[in-house]
Amino acid sequence: QQKVQQSPESLIVPEGAMTSLNCTFSDSASQYFAWYRQHSGKAPKALMSIFSNGEKEEGRFTIHLNKASLHFSLHIRDSQPSDSALYLCAVTVNTGNYKYVFGAGTRLKVIA
Amino acid sequence: SVLLYQKPNRDICQSGTSLKIQCVADSQVVSMFWYQQFQEQSLMLMATANEGSEATYESGFTKDKFPISRPNLTFSTLTVNNARPGDSSIYFCSSSRDRGNSDYTFGSGTRLLVI
Repeated sequence: QQKVQQSPESLIVPEGAMTSLNCTFSDSASQYFAWYRQHSGKAPKALMSIFSNGEKEEGRFTIHLNKASLHFSLHIRDSQPSDSALYLCAVTVNTGNYKYVFGAGTRLKVIA
Repeated sequence: SVLLYQKPNRDICQSGTSLKIQCVADSQVVSMFWYQQFQEQSLMLMATANEGSEATYESGFTKDKFPISRPNLTFSTLTVNNARPGDSSIYFCSSSRDRGNSDYTFGSGTRLLVI
């Protein structure tokens, strides 16, 4: 059964810093990798996703995927207080329904 | 991406009673998923609901406790039967426009408190 683990559990960074969040998964057949962000009291919202090995950048956010290492990560450049949220990584399990398995989350706080 | 409307936003119910949560999509979707989240921890997948078939439940969740209906491609309901204080959490429905790999959206969530 797919296991998805995130590190660190929580993180405090100063405004303007680079933030790095990590996610490991256990099923080498996983096909789709995503990061979701959840602000307090709100629903999770898709942030970025990637299908194949490599890197993808959107604005201040970069996602890296290394399937051989069963690892992907999210990097936030110039972190802002508005980035403070719970970050959840998600990996699809190919059962035909493409349902997600989520990690336990990393709680990020960016202090001004 | 698909939009999901969920209601109620929050509810308080007595132990032993039942509560029904509705999820409506703005377009037809193949699968709807129901998640449980305690205190902004991880999202636990409860079940997958496809139209016209029995929902598929994950370990730790049963049809008797959390019956799910999916009468058409835009609608699903989750019922919490015999609610207990341990069921107090936030329940989200989720789906995506495409059957394949794509970003999933979530309903606004139903915050349930069982007293």
